[in-house]
Amino acid sequence: DQQVKQNSPSLSVQEGRISILNCDYTNSMFDYFLWYKKYPAEGPTFLISISSIKDKNEDGRFTVFLNKSAKHLSLHIVPSQPGDSAVYFCAASGSYGGATNKLIFGTGTLLAVQP
Amino acid sequence: ETGVTQTPRHLVMGMTNKKSLKCEQHLGHNAMYWYKQSAKKPLELMFVYSLEERVENNSVPSRFSPECPNSSHLFLHLHTLQPEDSALYLCASSQVFAGGFEQYFGPGTRLTVT
Repeated sequence: DQQVKQNSPSLSVQEGRISILNCDYTNSMFDYFLWYKKYPAEGPTFLISISSIKDKNEDGRFTVFLNKSAKHLSLHIVPSQPGDSAVYFCAASGSYGGATNKLIFGTGTLLAVQP
Repeated sequence: ETGVTQTPRHLVMGMTNKKSLKCEQHLGHNAMYWYKQSAKKPLELMFVYSLEERVENNSVPSRFSPECPNSSHLFLHLHTLQPEDSALYLCASSQVFAGGFEQYFGPGTRLTVT
C-alpha cells in the first residue's frame, strides 16, 4: 500500500503562472517531507523540505505547504518557467533514530511549463 | 554535478551474465543507498548502508548483492537477473545523525536485461 501518493501524473501550466503540485500521505508518523525534481537521464535533485513543526517553507520561487491534519502537502512554483519542466517527486521520512534517512517516495508528477 | 557519480550509465546484460554497478560520493556523507526505479512506480529502496554497515535490506532477491568497502563507495553486484529487473538503478548518499533527511542522488544506471 502506497504511503505517499501523488494523484496527478501530469500537470501543464503557462509560463509565468503558478504551478501547484500535490502530495498526500497516510502514515501519521512521518515528520519530514521533501520535494525532488528529476530531469530525463538525471538523478532526482533535492529541491525543498519541510519539518512537521512548520506549515510553510519558502525558498525563492518554491514554497512548500504542509497540512498535517489533512496529511497533505503541496509545492507552489511562482512564477513557473520552462526550465521547471520535469518530474517532481514528493518524499516523506520519520524519526527512525537517525541510523538511516529512509525516504518513502511518491510516483511523481510530470510538470510541463508552456512558453 | 551533485557529488554522486555512477558507472556505467547504461548497461545491457543477458540473464546469465555477471556485472557490477558502481557508485561514488564526494560529499563526505556517512550513509549510502541503492534504489530501483521502474516505470510508473515509486522509487523503491533496496539497500541502506550507514557507517559502512548494511542496516536495511528490503526483501531484495539474492541475485542483487551490495557491497560497501568504505563510506565513499558502493557497489551493486548483479548475477542471473531476470527481464523484470530492467530499470533505472539510483545511488544516493546522505549524512545521518545530522538532523536532516536529504539524500543526494547520482544520475543512475539504466539497466536492460535481455
